[in-house]
Amino acid sequence: KQEVTQIPAALSVPEGENLVLNCSFTDSAIYNLQWFRQDPGKGLTSLLLIQSSQREQTSGRLNASLDKSSGRSTLYIAASQPGDSATYLCAVSPRIITQGGSEKLVFGKGTKLTVNP
Amino acid sequence: KAGVTQTPRYLTKTRGQQVTLSCSPISGHRSVSWYQQTPGQGLQFLFEYFSETQRNKGNFPGRFSGRQFSNSRSEMNVSTLELGDSALYLCASRRGPGQPNTEAFFGQGTRLTVV
Repeated sequence: KQEVTQIPAALSVPEGENLVLNCSFTDSAIYNLQWFRQDPGKGLTSLLLIQSSQREQTSGRLNASLDKSSGRSTLYIAASQPGDSATYLCAVSPRIITQGGSEKLVFGKGTKLTVNP
Repeated sequence: KAGVTQTPRYLTKTRGQQVTLSCSPISGHRSVSWYQQTPGQGLQFLFEYFSETQRNKGNFPGRFSGRQFSNSRSEMNVSTLELGDSALYLCASRRGPGQPNTEAFFGQGTRLTVV
């Protein structure tokens, strides 16, 4: 059974700091890994999608890496801003052979980031 | 291009009642998945639909059900509501099976409160 863990559960940093959020998963049989951002009471906003064959993806100040063999991904945020304060979630798409491509996502419980001005 | 639309945004129901939530996926997306989010359990998979067929189901009681229409819009229904069903219900849209490596997009969710 695929399990996703995110450490730390909460992180508080001063504005301008570079930071790394961690995500680990137990089964390397995945199609892809996706990072999301969630603001309080809102839905999920997709940040980055990394295919299983890729090592990293970049979008603006965000960079996500994937090491499928070790079951790890990191989300690097450069020059953090107060507007980056939110909960960051990672999710994997398990490769379920018998189901011909399930759309199911397995989520970690997130890292709540606070960037202080 | 319109995103994923979920209605209603907020809902309050009494224990024992039933509720129906709606999700309209992004135009051209044919796969819809539903998730329940609670502070204690995080995001948990409910079920997924493609071409009006349920392809996968999470570990939830039979009180939770869903369906998908020919225009890809989906509804989920919860019968005999319990206090523990209070949660944020999120819907995700993807292009469809056979293309599981595509990005999932989520709606704003429906906040259900059971009193």
